[in-house]
Amino acid sequence: GENVGLHLPTLSVQEGDNSIINCAYSNSASDYFIWYKQESGKGPQFIIDIRSNMDKRQGQRVTVLLNKTVKHLSLQIAATQPGDSAVYFCAEPSGNTGKLIFGQGTTLQVKP
Amino acid sequence: DAGVTQSPTHLIKTRGQQVTLRCSPKSGHDTVSWYQQALGQGPQFIFQYYEEEERQRGNFPDRFSGHQFPNYSSELNVNALWLGDSALYLCASSLAGQGEEKLFFGSGTQLSVL
Repeated sequence: GENVGLHLPTLSVQEGDNSIINCAYSNSASDYFIWYKQESGKGPQFIIDIRSNMDKRQGQRVTVLLNKTVKHLSLQIAATQPGDSAVYFCAEPSGNTGKLIFGQGTTLQVKP
Repeated sequence: DAGVTQSPTHLIKTRGQQVTLRCSPKSGHDTVSWYQQALGQGPQFIFQYYEEEERQRGNFPDRFSGHQFPNYSSELNVNALWLGDSALYLCASSLAGQGEEKLFFGSGTQLSVL
């Protein structure tokens, strides 16, 4: 079955540095992934997504990389800011069911 | 344009009681999904409602039930509450056919079972 997981529960970075959050998945047939950001007291918020026909996708200060060979994806945040402090989840749809499978999340702490 | 709204924001119940949580989807959305998020975990899919019917269900017991109204709002009901039901319950809305990336989440209802 599907399974997505994150490598580190907590990541601490200095303000202004780049952050890299990792996620591994088990189903080689997975073809679509989404990154969500969850701030304290709020629900998850869509950041960026990527389909398996791409290796890289860029947004505003964020980049997602997909390595299908090792079934790994990463979220890179450039010039990390205090407002980036949150829990980050990778997620993938379960077939065409409308159900999302979430990883356990990585807490990003930004030090001033 | 209001986003997804959930009520109440916090709730305290005792074991064995029943609870009803409410969700109003984002304007223009017709599909509502419910997720349970335990402390320190990612959200777990409970079920999804579309056209007032349960369309998909996750691995949750029958104590968890729901309803969708003609105005697309939804309720989540949990009977015979256990201590383990303590969690953040998230509602997400979308427009059918728009894809999973178009899920919008509410801020959730924090349920504590004592």
